Amino acid sequence: EAQVTQNPRYLITVTGKKLTVTCSQNMNHEYMSWYRQDPGLGLRQIYYSMNVEVTDKGDVPEGYKVSRKEKRNFPLILESPSPNQTSLYFCASSFNGPLVGEWGSGANVLTFGAGSRLTVL
Amino acid sequence: DAKTTQPPSMDCAEGRAANLPCNHSTISGNEYVYWYRQIHSQGPQYIIHGLKNNETNEMASLIITEDRKSSTLILPHATLRDTAVYYCIVSPDNNAGNMLTFGGGTRLMVKP
Repeated sequence: EAQVTQNPRYLITVTGKKLTVTCSQNMNHEYMSWYRQDPGLGLRQIYYSMNVEVTDKGDVPEGYKVSRKEKRNFPLILESPSPNQTSLYFCASSFNGPLVGEWGSGANVLTFGAGSRLTVL
Repeated sequence: DAKTTQPPSMDCAEGRAANLPCNHSTISGNEYVYWYRQIHSQGPQYIIHGLKNNETNEMASLIITEDRKSSTLILPHATLRDTAVYYCIVSPDNNAGNMLTFGGGTRLMVKP
């Protein structure tokens, strides 16, 4: 089944303890992205990657790192988590950027993972 | 990028059509209208998109006004499983990696 897999789905941790949220896709997508979702603030982009070894900051990159050493994986790293990083995180991927193909082929739809709920105490 | 305005919430009776409006008065000629939905903290799901013409797929129809300043997503026969937050998004076609911006969306409640 074509999907984006995130792990862990739920995590409670403490301030300062490094953690990694993994994201893996099995669709050979070039584009991958991380979002966080907070009440009243909607979905905000953290980082994105247009291809292997190419990553860029989104709207809220502070406190996060990412890497894209291989096409299928795009881990989100919190080097020193703080309580303000308590949030629901989503990874997403698509063939080539977040757009659907120009003629509506549907081949380039942005596919999201199921989400990872992180609590930092 | 064009901003979108959606009502924060709407109700719809099961089996009836749900019409979700979106205003995007600053949309420019090369910007597409996309609709996604999110069911109770699950990952957002693509529904449909369009540029100028009305579009229809197995999930919904998208009606875009002639001046492209607004659009309506139509779920023709809403079911309880359509209860979700629906996001209207406008993005340019230059495929920048940070282009998909989600706003507050419309919380649709389908009632029996």
